[in-house]
This record gives sequence, structure tokens and C-alpha cells, in this order.
Amino acid sequence: KNEVEQSPQNLTAQEGEFITINCSYSVGISALHWLQQHPGGGIVSLFMLSSGKKKHGRLIATINIQEKHSSLHITASHPRDSAVYICAVPGAQKLVFGQGTRLTINP
Amino acid sequence: GAGVSQTPSNKVTEKGKYVELRCDPISGHTALYWYRQSLGQGPEFLIYFQGTGAADDSGLPNDRFFAVRPEGSVSTLKIQRTERGDSAVYLCASSLIGGRNTGELFFGEGSRLTVL
Repeated sequence: KNEVEQSPQNLTAQEGEFITINCSYSVGISALHWLQQHPGGGIVSLFMLSSGKKKHGRLIATINIQEKHSSLHITASHPRDSAVYICAVPGAQKLVFGQGTRLTINP
Repeated sequence: GAGVSQTPSNKVTEKGKYVELRCDPISGHTALYWYRQSLGQGPEFLIYFQGTGAADDSGLPNDRFFAVRPEGSVSTLKIQRTERGDSAVYLCASSLIGGRNTGELFFGEGSRLTVL
């Protein structure tokens, strides 16, 4: 079992839909990172959270430390949200990445 | 600079050649990570530096790969006798602190390596 698992691996939705991407991890962590990578682009950090919820614009990230689970939500999705979303957790030394969720928002 | 800078942005080389990829992290960031990403895949860990030392190099695929960070800032990833399978985007990231308490991550744009 991978240390970090994301679901779904691929998600296609229509503009305006509410999006949820899930991340489960098996290691104890101090914080979890949500990252975004547009096609052909670099990786951008969206959130780093260790408890509760964080909100930035239309993006909301939640984490439940006891259940070792985090979700990334996008409200009123837009085609420009199309990207790969990756969660990452710090291991003993290195960051461990999930395999990513490829999100496509159709107009 | 304001962000993590990686050079070159693109490198095309022939099989068997030697390649160096450079990462200039954000000033003051002690933690520096190298990852590589093949098309359609997530980032694959290569090596993590805390200051000048390689805290974890378990991701380096073989002894053709080597990385240094002599002064605790700029890092160079070196690949000897390149093979076609080394073709990927090599990503560098830095954070103020590392390990289990890794702070916010900042990624460079990556260096795209193509081995012909």
C-alpha cells in the first residue's frame, strides 16, 4: 500500500460543479501539502495544513488527523482549474507524493 | 531571486553524455529537494538536502546520479553516461525547514532533460 493515496485519479466535470479530491495517508504527519500542476507547467503550493480547514478563494482544504485523510474542494469550478492536484506528506526525511488527480473542467 | 530558479529550462543531449542541472533555491531555505517527473506521472523523489548535507539520497536511481550543495544554497544534480530512460523533467523545491516539519514548499519550473 502506498503511503499516500489519492482519489479519484482522473476527474472530468462541467464548469460550475463542486469538486472534491481526496487524499489518505498512512504515516504520522505534522502537516499535509496540496499542490497544483497545470499542463506543461511547474508545481505551485496551494495549501499547507496541519488541522481543520483552510480557504483560499474558491479552494478549500480540510484535514482530519485522526482519520489520516484530507480533502481538497473547488467551488464553482472553472476550466482554468484544469490541472493535476497532488497531495504530499513529509516522511522522516523526504516528502512523499500522491500519484495526483488529473482534473478537467469542461466549459 | 524571488523564487526557486532552475537552469537550464531545457536540455537535449545524446546518450552517454554528462549533464549538470542547477537549482538556486530561495535565499535562506535550508531544505532542498530534487524530484523527477516523467510524462503523466507524479514526482519521484531523488534526494533531499538539509543545509550542505544530503539527508536522504535514497531516491537516486543508480551511481550515475549525484548531487551536491557545497555551500548550502545552490545545488547541482549531475548525471553521468546519460540514458534515454533519464529523460524527464527534473524538479527542485526548497523550504525554510525540512524533515517532518517541512514548511511551505516552493518549486522551480523544472529542467526538461531529453536524451536522444
